[in-house]
Amino acid sequence: DSGVTQTPKHLITATGQRVTLRCSPRSGDLSVYWYQQSLDQGLQFLIQYYNGEERAKGNILERFSAQQFPDLHSELNLSSLELGDSALYFCASSVAVDTGYTFGSGTRLTVV
Amino acid sequence: DAKTTQPPSMDCAEGRAANLPCNHSTISGNEYVYWYRQIHSQGPQYIIHGLKNNETNEMASLIITEDRKSSTLILPHATLRDTAVYYCIVRVAGTASKLTFGTGTRLQVTL
Repeated sequence: DSGVTQTPKHLITATGQRVTLRCSPRSGDLSVYWYQQSLDQGLQFLIQYYNGEERAKGNILERFSAQQFPDLHSELNLSSLELGDSALYFCASSVAVDTGYTFGSGTRLTVV
Repeated sequence: DAKTTQPPSMDCAEGRAANLPCNHSTISGNEYVYWYRQIHSQGPQYIIHGLKNNETNEMASLIITEDRKSSTLILPHATLRDTAVYYCIVRVAGTASKLTFGTGTRLQVTL
């Protein structure tokens, strides 16, 4: 157990639907990062939050949005889902200094 | 962040040392070298990081050349469970900035 909790572990949904992925960071970590990994693809950075504020944005589609709540958990919202959105979605957290990230075990999203 | 170059794949016999190279010739003075690995479809796992001195922890050793343009991750006694994709990443120090993953090296440990 890495200390970063992602739910659900698996999600199957239809095209056009909307889903919410949840991430609870390690205790004390203020930064949360979201990554997408499609089949046989690399890890693509989506977005970062630090203590409730958006810090950096990567290749995140306009159909996707995220937020970090006062208790520091984060949610990634994916809407108008397409087949190509099927992927593993990872959340990671870190403290505000130069330490390594800790990743969760991911949410596997399948869009049918 | 500086880019890195890694061989796409490597093999290593179980029990032998695995030496994974990484080239980061454009690294800046304030950038750290990080190593992560991803076993199958699990979340990436932090291994080690360093700035300019060699580093060692319970998982691995990191050797950074004096000019900092390349580094080597050493797994001293590879086991089958070390089969994974290994990522070398450089990142600016003093921030909680994002990590940019490349394609990594797929290490296959065999009997």
